[in-house]
Amino acid sequence: QTVVTQEPSLTVSPGGTVTLTCASSTGAVTIYNYLNWVQQKPGQPPRTLIYSTTNKHSWTPARFSGSLLGGKAALTLSGVQPEDEAEYYCLFYYGGDWVFGGGTKVTVL
Amino acid sequence: QVQLQESGPGLVKPSQTLSLTCTVSGGSISGGSYYWSWIRQPAGKGLEWIGRIYASGSANYNPSLKSRVTISIDTSKNQFSLKLASLTAADTAVYFCARTFYGSGTPDFDYWGLGALVTVSS
Repeated sequence: QTVVTQEPSLTVSPGGTVTLTCASSTGAVTIYNYLNWVQQKPGQPPRTLIYSTTNKHSWTPARFSGSLLGGKAALTLSGVQPEDEAEYYCLFYYGGDWVFGGGTKVTVL
Repeated sequence: QVQLQESGPGLVKPSQTLSLTCTVSGGSISGGSYYWSWIRQPAGKGLEWIGRIYASGSANYNPSLKSRVTISIDTSKNQFSLKLASLTAADTAVYFCARTFYGSGTPDFDYWGLGALVTVSS
Protein backbone atom coordinates (compact mmCIF):
# COMPACT_ATOMS: atom_id res chain seq x y z
CA GLN A 1 0.00 0.00 0.00
CA THR A 2 1.16 3.51 -0.84
CA VAL A 3 2.80 5.42 2.00
CA VAL A 4 2.94 9.21 1.83
CA THR A 5 5.45 10.94 4.07
CA GLN A 6 5.47 14.47 5.46
CA GLU A 7 7.64 16.23 8.03
CA PRO A 8 5.95 15.70 11.43
CA SER A 9 6.53 19.26 12.56
CA LEU A 10 8.08 22.55 11.47
CA THR A 11 8.53 25.85 13.26
CA VAL A 12 8.67 29.22 11.54
CA SER A 13 8.91 32.82 12.72
CA PRO A 14 6.20 35.32 11.81
CA GLY A 15 7.01 36.82 8.43
CA GLY A 16 9.31 33.95 7.56
CA THR A 17 9.12 31.28 4.90
CA VAL A 18 8.64 27.55 5.37
CA THR A 19 8.38 24.70 2.89
CA LEU A 20 6.48 21.50 3.65
CA THR A 21 7.09 18.43 1.51
CA CYS A 22 5.17 15.32 0.57
CA ALA A 23 6.97 12.18 -0.65
CA SER A 24 5.59 8.89 -1.91
CA SER A 25 6.74 5.32 -1.55
CA THR A 26 5.75 4.82 -5.21
CA GLY A 27 8.55 7.08 -6.46
CA ALA A 28 8.76 10.67 -7.66
CA VAL A 29 5.60 12.73 -7.24
CA THR A 30 4.23 13.98 -10.57
CA ILE A 31 1.38 16.19 -11.72
CA TYR A 32 -0.65 13.02 -12.23
CA ASN A 33 -0.74 12.48 -8.47
CA TYR A 34 -2.98 15.60 -8.36
CA LEU A 35 -1.70 16.73 -4.97
CA ASN A 36 -4.19 18.51 -2.76
CA TRP A 37 -2.91 20.39 0.27
CA VAL A 38 -5.37 20.56 3.14
CA GLN A 39 -5.20 22.82 6.20
CA GLN A 40 -6.82 21.85 9.48
CA LYS A 41 -7.01 23.94 12.62
CA PRO A 42 -7.99 22.45 16.00
CA GLY A 43 -11.68 21.69 16.25
CA GLN A 44 -12.32 22.57 12.61
CA PRO A 45 -12.91 20.49 9.51
CA PRO A 46 -10.19 20.38 6.86
CA ARG A 47 -10.06 23.05 4.18
CA THR A 48 -8.33 22.58 0.86
CA LEU A 49 -5.85 25.33 0.00
CA ILE A 50 -4.12 23.89 -3.07
CA TYR A 51 -5.44 21.37 -5.60
CA SER A 52 -3.77 19.47 -8.40
CA THR A 53 -0.29 20.48 -7.26
CA THR A 54 -0.37 24.23 -7.92
CA ASN A 55 -3.93 25.53 -8.17
CA LYS A 56 -5.37 27.89 -5.54
CA HIS A 57 -8.92 28.48 -4.39
CA SER A 58 -10.49 31.90 -4.05
CA TRP A 59 -10.05 31.52 -0.30
CA THR A 60 -6.37 30.59 -0.46
CA PRO A 61 -4.11 33.40 0.75
CA ALA A 62 -1.56 34.49 -1.84
CA ARG A 63 1.28 33.55 0.51
CA PHE A 64 0.54 29.83 -0.03
CA SER A 65 1.96 28.14 -3.13
CA GLY A 66 2.26 24.57 -4.33
CA SER A 67 4.97 23.02 -6.50
CA LEU A 68 6.99 19.94 -7.33
CA LEU A 69 10.50 19.98 -5.88
CA GLY A 70 13.14 17.29 -6.22
CA GLY A 71 10.70 14.41 -6.71
CA LYS A 72 8.38 15.60 -3.96
CA ALA A 73 5.37 17.85 -3.75
CA ALA A 74 5.89 21.04 -1.80
CA LEU A 75 3.74 23.63 -0.07
CA THR A 76 5.52 26.93 0.57
CA LEU A 77 4.26 29.56 2.98
CA SER A 78 5.90 32.93 2.39
CA GLY A 79 5.42 35.76 4.88
CA VAL A 80 3.89 33.46 7.48
CA GLN A 81 1.13 34.87 9.65
CA PRO A 82 0.16 33.70 13.15
CA GLU A 83 -3.11 32.35 11.78
CA ASP A 84 -1.17 29.92 9.59
CA GLU A 85 -0.42 27.79 12.65
CA ALA A 86 -2.21 24.54 11.82
CA GLU A 87 -1.84 20.95 10.67
CA TYR A 88 -1.24 20.52 6.95
CA TYR A 89 -1.96 17.30 5.08
CA CYS A 90 -1.12 16.35 1.54
CA LEU A 91 -3.61 14.22 -0.33
CA PHE A 92 -2.06 12.04 -3.02
CA TYR A 93 -3.74 10.21 -5.90
CA TYR A 94 -2.37 6.87 -7.06
CA GLY A 95 -3.88 3.89 -8.79
CA GLY A 96 -7.44 5.09 -8.44
CA ASP A 97 -7.17 5.73 -4.72
CA TRP A 98 -6.39 8.73 -2.55
CA VAL A 99 -3.88 8.58 0.29
CA PHE A 100 -3.24 11.17 2.99
CA GLY A 101 0.18 12.01 4.26
CA GLY A 102 0.69 11.86 8.00
CA GLY A 103 0.44 15.63 8.34
CA THR A 104 2.84 18.44 9.28
CA LYS A 105 2.22 20.51 12.37
CA VAL A 106 3.31 24.07 11.61
CA THR A 107 4.06 26.21 14.64
CA VAL A 108 4.45 29.98 14.25
CA LEU A 109 6.81 31.19 16.97
CA GLN B 1 -23.00 27.81 -1.72
CA VAL B 2 -22.56 24.06 -1.53
CA GLN B 3 -22.86 22.54 1.93
CA LEU B 4 -22.35 19.00 3.13
CA GLN B 5 -23.76 17.69 6.40
CA GLU B 6 -23.02 14.34 8.00
CA SER B 7 -25.66 12.62 10.11
CA GLY B 8 -26.06 9.33 11.94
CA PRO B 9 -25.75 7.63 15.32
CA GLY B 10 -22.97 8.93 17.51
CA LEU B 11 -22.58 5.67 19.42
CA VAL B 12 -22.37 2.18 17.93
CA LYS B 13 -21.57 -1.14 19.59
CA PRO B 14 -18.55 -3.27 18.70
CA SER B 15 -19.13 -5.81 15.92
CA GLN B 16 -22.08 -3.78 14.62
CA THR B 17 -22.33 -1.66 11.46
CA LEU B 18 -21.83 2.11 11.31
CA SER B 19 -24.23 3.97 9.05
CA LEU B 20 -23.71 7.62 8.14
CA THR B 21 -25.39 9.86 5.59
CA CYS B 22 -24.06 12.99 3.94
CA THR B 23 -26.71 15.42 2.73
CA VAL B 24 -25.66 17.82 0.00
CA SER B 25 -27.35 21.21 -0.30
CA GLY B 26 -26.79 24.13 -2.65
CA GLY B 27 -26.05 21.89 -5.61
CA SER B 28 -27.02 18.64 -7.27
CA ILE B 29 -25.21 15.48 -6.29
CA SER B 30 -25.65 14.17 -9.82
CA GLY B 31 -24.77 17.26 -11.81
CA GLY B 32 -21.33 18.02 -13.18
CA SER B 33 -17.93 16.39 -12.82
CA TYR B 34 -17.98 15.42 -9.16
CA TYR B 35 -17.43 12.48 -6.92
CA TRP B 36 -18.18 12.14 -3.25
CA SER B 37 -15.83 10.85 -0.57
CA TRP B 38 -15.76 9.74 3.03
CA ILE B 39 -12.72 10.52 5.20
CA ARG B 40 -12.17 9.82 8.88
CA GLN B 41 -9.94 11.07 11.68
CA PRO B 42 -9.39 9.36 15.03
CA ALA B 43 -8.93 11.76 17.91
CA GLY B 44 -5.48 13.33 17.84
CA LYS B 45 -4.50 11.47 14.66
CA GLY B 46 -4.33 12.10 10.95
CA LEU B 47 -6.85 11.89 8.14
CA GLU B 48 -7.68 8.63 6.36
CA TRP B 49 -9.48 8.38 3.01
CA ILE B 50 -12.20 5.74 3.18
CA GLY B 51 -13.59 5.77 -0.34
CA ARG B 52 -15.52 7.64 -3.02
CA ILE B 53 -18.57 7.27 -5.20
CA TYR B 54 -19.72 8.78 -8.47
CA ALA B 55 -23.32 9.71 -9.20
CA SER B 56 -23.43 6.61 -11.42
CA GLY B 57 -22.92 4.48 -8.32
CA SER B 58 -19.39 3.41 -9.22
CA ALA B 59 -17.25 3.33 -6.06
CA ASN B 60 -13.61 2.91 -5.00
CA TYR B 61 -12.45 1.99 -1.52
CA ASN B 62 -9.31 2.22 0.58
CA PRO B 63 -7.74 -1.25 0.24
CA SER B 64 -7.24 -1.46 4.01
CA LEU B 65 -10.98 -1.03 4.62
CA LYS B 66 -12.41 -2.51 1.44
CA SER B 67 -13.72 -5.71 3.01
CA ARG B 68 -15.86 -3.78 5.50
CA VAL B 69 -16.97 -0.66 3.58
CA THR B 70 -19.92 0.12 1.36
CA ILE B 71 -20.62 3.58 -0.04
CA SER B 72 -23.92 4.21 -1.79
CA ILE B 73 -25.66 7.19 -3.35
CA ASP B 74 -29.28 8.33 -3.54
CA THR B 75 -29.54 11.04 -6.18
CA SER B 76 -33.27 11.54 -5.52
CA LYS B 77 -32.46 12.64 -1.96
CA ASN B 78 -29.16 14.37 -2.82
CA GLN B 79 -27.43 12.12 -0.32
CA PHE B 80 -24.65 9.57 -0.18
CA SER B 81 -24.01 7.10 2.59
CA LEU B 82 -21.32 5.10 4.34
CA LYS B 83 -21.64 1.69 5.92
CA LEU B 84 -18.71 0.23 7.85
CA ALA B 85 -19.16 -3.27 9.25
CA SER B 86 -17.55 -5.32 12.02
CA LEU B 87 -16.70 -2.30 14.12
CA THR B 88 -13.98 -2.16 16.74
CA ALA B 89 -12.79 0.61 19.03
CA ALA B 90 -10.22 1.51 16.36
CA ASP B 91 -13.08 2.78 14.18
CA THR B 92 -13.90 5.51 16.69
CA ALA B 93 -13.31 8.74 14.78
CA VAL B 94 -14.76 11.89 13.33
CA TYR B 95 -16.14 11.03 9.91
CA PHE B 96 -16.12 13.71 7.19
CA CYS B 97 -17.79 13.75 3.81
CA ALA B 98 -16.31 15.77 0.97
CA ARG B 99 -16.91 16.69 -2.66
CA THR B 100 -14.26 16.39 -5.34
CA PHE B 101 -14.55 18.34 -8.56
CA TYR B 102 -12.55 16.68 -11.33
CA GLY B 103 -13.50 18.79 -14.31
CA SER B 104 -10.59 19.87 -16.51
CA GLY B 105 -8.57 16.98 -15.11
CA THR B 106 -7.64 18.79 -11.91
CA PRO B 107 -9.21 16.94 -8.96
CA ASP B 108 -10.13 19.31 -6.17
CA PHE B 109 -11.55 18.42 -2.75
CA ASP B 110 -13.39 21.73 -2.71
CA TYR B 111 -16.10 21.24 -0.10
CA TRP B 112 -16.06 19.38 3.20
CA GLY B 113 -18.67 18.63 5.82
CA LEU B 114 -18.20 19.64 9.44
CA GLY B 115 -17.75 16.04 10.55
CA ALA B 116 -19.63 13.58 12.74
CA LEU B 117 -18.13 11.87 15.76
CA VAL B 118 -18.79 8.16 15.94
CA THR B 119 -17.80 6.27 19.07
CA VAL B 120 -17.61 2.50 19.09
CA SER B 121 -18.30 1.26 22.58
CA SER B 122 -20.49 -1.22 24.39
